[in-house]
Formats: sequence, C-alpha cells, structure tokens
Amino acid sequence: KAGVTQTPRYLIKTRGQQVTLSCSPISGHRSVSWYQQTPGQGLQFLFEYFSETQRNKGNFPGRFSGRQFSNSRSEMNVSTLELGDSALYLCASSFDRIEQFFGPGTRLTVL
Amino acid sequence: GEDVEQSLFLSVREGDSSVINCTYTDSSSTYLYWYKQEPGAGLQLLTYIFSNMDMKQDQRLTVLLNKKDKHLSLRIADTQTGDSAIYFCAEKEGAGSYQLTFGKGTKLSVIP
Repeated sequence: KAGVTQTPRYLIKTRGQQVTLSCSPISGHRSVSWYQQTPGQGLQFLFEYFSETQRNKGNFPGRFSGRQFSNSRSEMNVSTLELGDSALYLCASSFDRIEQFFGPGTRLTVL
Repeated sequence: GEDVEQSLFLSVREGDSSVINCTYTDSSSTYLYWYKQEPGAGLQLLTYIFSNMDMKQDQRLTVLLNKKDKHLSLRIADTQTGDSAIYFCAEKEGAGSYQLTFGKGTKLSVIP
C-alpha cells in the first residue's frame, strides 16, 4: 500500500507570493491533517479535514487555508508569504482517528 | 493548554538500551505516541499507547506510561546506529480530535 505522498517536495518562493501544497492520503483514509515544522516552534498543528470538512484549526493566521476533495486528497494554501513561513509542511492521514501516518513533507523556503 | 516536554539530547553506545522520557500536562489525553524522524524525512509512527494501559511492548520497543505522574517513556533495546534520529513524543486529546500536540523532540545519537 502506498504511503502518504506530498508534492512538491521542495519549493522556493519570494515574500508576498502565494503557494499551494498537495497531499494524497493513504488509500482508504478520509482524514488529513497538516502540520508546520520549524526549528524554533517545532511541530504545530495547522488544520484537519475529514470528508471534505474542516474539523479543527490550529492557531495560525487566515493566510493559511486548506481544502479537501471528494477523493480525500488535500491542498493547503498560504497567501502573502512571509519569511517566517519557511518550514517543513507535513501532511498526515488516518483511517481510524488513532494512528496518523505522515508523508515526507514539503520544504518551503521563502526568500 | 497542552504541553509536552522532552529532553533535547541523548547519547548511547551501540548495543546498550536507550530510554527517552516525556512529560505531558493534559490529563484528558487518550493516546500517546512516539514518532521517529530521520534527517530530511517525515515522521515515522513507531508505537502508541492508550491512556488506560501501563505498558506496551513491540519488538525492541517498550513504552511505559505513568498516568498519575503524566510521564511517558520509550525504551529501545539493543540500540543500533540506524536508531540515530530525533524522537518525538505526542499526545492526542479525546476520540473526536485528530490534533496531535508534539514535544520538541529528543535527538538520539548512537556511538559505534
């Protein structure tokens, strides 16, 4: 069974731009969560989606948004990029709301 | 709010046992997890324990949970150089929540 896939793996953007990251969950998993990982703040929860509905949102500004499609694939969008948005963005999928399996992440660098 | 704390570094010799410790504050935590992250990679789920359990063993891994003290530990028996990585402790609240709260991670270095 294929794991969680994230595209692209690496991304370089400049301040003010926007970016869209994609996540394909493990087949059969309907829950997708997003996390931001930085050296300073560690791993922080962004939001979770289940059956195309956002169920929970972390403490991030409105520039961070996401959505989930009917095939459970998810995208997250960051608008008006800031230098502090440079991070590893991790997506996780779950079938049973207990085990969460993470993808390899998208490394975003904002210049 | 929830808080999960871990020591930042641990160094052990190959073949010895490693014990990584974690404390958490949320008494409503239902599941507690250990994840492993190697350089440049995502998080690998190693094991997890339900909050009404005291211990869980999975091959070389043993998880101990002291719910009274809100203390979780991960013991790796016969530590190998391939175990060198960052280990994250995480907690999840009630069954209705998917959100994991992570510690800052413990960097395990295995000396050959």
